[in-house]
Amino acid sequence: KQEVTQIPAALSVPEGENLVLNCSFTDSAIYNLQWFRQDPGKGLTSLLLIQSSQREQTSGRLNASLDKSSGRSTLYIAASQPGDSATYLCAVIPMDNQGGKLIFGQGTELSVKP
Amino acid sequence: EADIYQTPRYLVIGTGKKITLECSQTMGHDKMYWYQQDPGMELHLIHYSYGVNSTEKGDLSSESTVSRIRTEHFPLTLESARPSHTSQYLCASSEYSGTEQFFGPGTRLTVL
Repeated sequence: KQEVTQIPAALSVPEGENLVLNCSFTDSAIYNLQWFRQDPGKGLTSLLLIQSSQREQTSGRLNASLDKSSGRSTLYIAASQPGDSATYLCAVIPMDNQGGKLIFGQGTELSVKP
Repeated sequence: EADIYQTPRYLVIGTGKKITLECSQTMGHDKMYWYQQDPGMELHLIHYSYGVNSTEKGDLSSESTVSRIRTEHFPLTLESARPSHTSQYLCASSEYSGTEQFFGPGTRLTVL
């Protein structure tokens, strides 16, 4: 059974720092991996989608990498800003999952202090 | 920003009431999903649909039911709400299985 783990559960950094959020999954047979952002009491905003054949994706100050063999993904945030404060979730679609159902980690709660 | 909508955003209701949570998307996506998120916990899939007249139960057992009569509309119904149903319900859609999923703003349900 696929399980997704995110470390750390919470992270507080001063504004301007570069930071890395970690995501690991137990079964390397995945179709893709998606990173989301969730603000308190809100829905999810899709940040980056990495297909299983890709190694990384970039969008602005965000860079996500994928290492399927080791079951890991990282989300790198450059020059963090207070507006980046949110919970970041990673989720995978297992290769054998025909429904396209996402399996989520519990998230990393990020706080960027001014 | 994805065009997927959920109403109501917040709902407080008494035990035993029947409720329907609405979800609509204007992207013409065939795949739609309902996830449940308890406070501080990860999201779990409770229902999904491949298209019109197709519905399946997800990994997390739920007493709710869904219907898919139109492509753009995927409502979730609780026939008799209970306090254990208190949670946030998030609707999502994607063009195909395995492509990027877009989420609505969620409905936060409280059953007293």
